Amino acid sequence: AQKITQTQPGMFVQEKEAVTLDCTYDTSDPSYGLFWYKQPSSGEMIFLIYQGSYDQQNATEGRYSLNFQKARKSANLVISASQLGDSAMYFCAMRGSSNTGKLIFGQGTTLQVKP
Amino acid sequence: DVKVTQSSRYLVKRTGEKVFLECVQDMDHENMFWYRQDPGLGLRLIYFSYDVKMKEKGDIPEGYSVSREKKERFSLILESASTNQTSMYLCASSFGTASYNEQFFGPGTRLTVL
Repeated sequence: AQKITQTQPGMFVQEKEAVTLDCTYDTSDPSYGLFWYKQPSSGEMIFLIYQGSYDQQNATEGRYSLNFQKARKSANLVISASQLGDSAMYFCAMRGSSNTGKLIFGQGTTLQVKP
Repeated sequence: DVKVTQSSRYLVKRTGEKVFLECVQDMDHENMFWYRQDPGLGLRLIYFSYDVKMKEKGDIPEGYSVSREKKERFSLILESASTNQTSMYLCASSFGTASYNEQFFGPGTRLTVL
């Protein structure tokens, strides 16, 4: 069975500092994709970053980077230079080649950025 | 830009009522999904559809049904609402089913069943 685990229910970070949100996954699919989404208090899910299982390099999108360690089955999100607007809930998700397109989500991590 | 819209942001219904949640996407996506989100549980898939009139059960389909008569519209139906269906409901769509295909989400509907 496929599973995503986010072990940090809540995190605090000081404005302008970097923060790492943890995500581990379990799958037997040879090909899969890992996604991070941000959900502000307004409720909408915002796509942040994607990492393919065969990608040789870690994905980066602006201040977001994904620390992908395939052997350890981890896909941690790193946010550099945190801003107050980064305060939100963050979800790690996975889609396998056998999933018929559905995403498996973790429990989420609530991030609060302190001024 | 892809846009996914949901018919209501907030909805209050009574136990036993039939409830319709509507979702519309404007990017000609084949695949559409309904999730519910509960604290500590993340998002769980209720139903999905990869073509008009096609539907597949997700992880928690009990108490729900869906309808997809047109490509752009995917409806979630609570046949007889119960208090344990109080939740946030999120609709999503994607172009394909490959592992790299991103899902685009609507703003969500917060449903309260009294």
